Amino acid sequence: KAGVTQTPRYLIKTRGQQVTLSCSPISGHRSVSWYQQTPGQGLQFLFEYFSETQRNKGNFPGRFSGRQFSNSRSEMNVSTLELGDSALYLCASSSSGGQGLDTQYFGPGTRLTVL
Amino acid sequence: QQQVKQSPQSLIVQKGGISIINCAYENTAFDYFPWYQQFPGKGPALLIAIRPDVSEKKEGRFTISFNKSAKQFSLHIMDSQPGDSATYFCAARYQGGKLIFGQGTELSVKP
Repeated sequence: KAGVTQTPRYLIKTRGQQVTLSCSPISGHRSVSWYQQTPGQGLQFLFEYFSETQRNKGNFPGRFSGRQFSNSRSEMNVSTLELGDSALYLCASSSSGGQGLDTQYFGPGTRLTVL
Repeated sequence: QQQVKQSPQSLIVQKGGISIINCAYENTAFDYFPWYQQFPGKGPALLIAIRPDVSEKKEGRFTISFNKSAKQFSLHIMDSQPGDSATYFCAARYQGGKLIFGQGTELSVKP
């Protein structure tokens, strides 16, 4: 099976712009979670989607949003970018979204730089 | 209450030695505890995971020890190799698809 894929891999934006990141989960996986990774804050949970519904949300401002499509692919959007949004954005997929031994598998991430 | 505390922040081990990384948590609602390994420029990769009703799990050179009463768990890497040099994260699962991560341990295995 192919792993989790994320596009683009690298992105440079300026303050005030908006950005959309894409994630394709492992085939058959219905849950997609997004995380932000920075040197200072580590790995922080953004939100989780399961069967096109947001099921969990982390403590991030409303500028961060996402959605999931019927084929389980997910997108994440950040509006009005700030310098502090520079980070590695990771997507993870799992088959059932947290039941039993169900595990999250991560993609390679999108490196976002805000200038 | 949703924090996972990980130590040490960095670790240097000689080749063939044992690497030990510790994590502690407070929230008893966590129901699954995975460990991830991350190399520079890559996403985290699952190493091994355990449920709280199991005290130990071993896969190859990697062992998780879990102490439910103390709310602590640890990763042991036996016969550490230079190729094991990476950042290791413990995590705890909460409310289905939400993972709470420790701050990470940068492991360096010297030849």
